[in-house]
Amino acid sequence: EPEVTQTPSHQVTQMGQEVILRCVPISNHLYFYWYRQILGQKVEFLVSFYNNEISEKSEIFDDQFSVERPDGSNFTLKIRSTKLEDSAMYFCASSGSRTDTGELFFGEGSRLTVL
Amino acid sequence: DAKTTQPPSMDCAEGRAANLPCNHSTISGNEYVYWYRQIHSQGPQYIIHGLKNNETNEMASLIITEDRKSSTLILPHATLRDTAVYYCIVRVLGSNDYKLSFGAGTTVTVRA
Repeated sequence: EPEVTQTPSHQVTQMGQEVILRCVPISNHLYFYWYRQILGQKVEFLVSFYNNEISEKSEIFDDQFSVERPDGSNFTLKIRSTKLEDSAMYFCASSGSRTDTGELFFGEGSRLTVL
Repeated sequence: DAKTTQPPSMDCAEGRAANLPCNHSTISGNEYVYWYRQIHSQGPQYIIHGLKNNETNEMASLIITEDRKSSTLILPHATLRDTAVYYCIVRVLGSNDYKLSFGAGTTVTVRA
């Protein structure tokens, strides 16, 4: 069964450092997403991406965050200057076309720890 | 998207049916009911969705009331591996964006 893969599974970084989280969505999917979950809290929407541009973003997704689909297969989330409060599990997801079930397929997540 | 209300937690005995309620009294006519679950900080996993008819798949059944203001997810024979947080989400299908908004969900603990 096709799946969304994310790397790294866990990254530890120092405050102020740049971090890039990588995702390989399911190959024929058109919509891509990043979510995050701070330990013990809800899964929060960050950003959605369609047709090579951001289609929607939450207030969490400020200028420190950016997304890119550099090569037609990978989908990345960059945090320019990490803060302690960026420590969370980051989930990538993808979904197909408008005519499908609208199901989002999530990866297993990348745990980011900012020290 | 309409908001949903779910009980914060429930227990279920292994092998028994688990019935998870969800209230979505402000749902609009073009909003579907989706259920996802999250097993111990893994990525959320799709379970089932429906508009107004009852739905069944290999994982669960979804019962939607006639007025669509509430629904019940049924896990017919709960196993220990069904211990998870279950999210009921309502949203429009067919728009340009499939963003999901997760609430707190129901933490289901299946006990042996």
